[in-house]
Amino acid sequence: DAKTTQPPSMDCAEGRAANLPCNHSTISGNEYVYWYRQIHSQGPQYIIHGLKNNETNEMASLIITEDRKSSTLILPHATLRDTAVYYCIALPVYAGNMLTFGGGTRLMVKP
Amino acid sequence: GAVVSQHPSWVICKSGTSVKIECRSLDFQATTMFWYRQFPKQSLMLMATSNEGSKATYEQGVEKDKFLINHASLTLSTLTVTSAHPEDSSFYICSARDYYQGNQPQHFGDGTRLSIL
Repeated sequence: DAKTTQPPSMDCAEGRAANLPCNHSTISGNEYVYWYRQIHSQGPQYIIHGLKNNETNEMASLIITEDRKSSTLILPHATLRDTAVYYCIALPVYAGNMLTFGGGTRLMVKP
Repeated sequence: GAVVSQHPSWVICKSGTSVKIECRSLDFQATTMFWYRQFPKQSLMLMATSNEGSKATYEQGVEKDKFLINHASLTLSTLTVTSAHPEDSSFYICSARDYYQGNQPQHFGDGTRLSIL
């Protein structure tokens, strides 16, 4: 699985968009980009995933560069409840693959 | 949406006790479930892969006789920490994925906080 690199921490003002970057320069053609987040003392929560097209759901948007070497998770209107550690993971899609968690980005949403 | 239930959510017990943690997929079938452990201020570390109807696959450094895994059905995997000691105190988390939905992501339980006195 491709290695991903994320900044260790970021701050965001409440109500503003939070843009979380992820570098995955060695990603292969069959690997998707997954985003999860972990709020303190809870299990990770799935946010979104994509292959090469931009994706949007009720939680966030995922922007993947054309060369697929990096991506950005966008929380359009961050709230205090979005404070969490966000993990970007590159993974092939089939049922057997386990997720390997790196350090993630600790997002602090401030009033 | 896919839901994974983990029980108990927390447990405190004496050293030497064995503790069983259950992981259930509530609305889908999962031939494979994963068990993770997380120490304070650290990321999740995969312990083992639980396969329905066969032996679990353990990561390097994880004692299979210490952490017994049973995956007897398509919706239930259990992790038993045998003869637990204070150093086994941690946050244990399971995950599962819908076997029949190839493009669906893994979903996680809410974790079990284990404290060994």
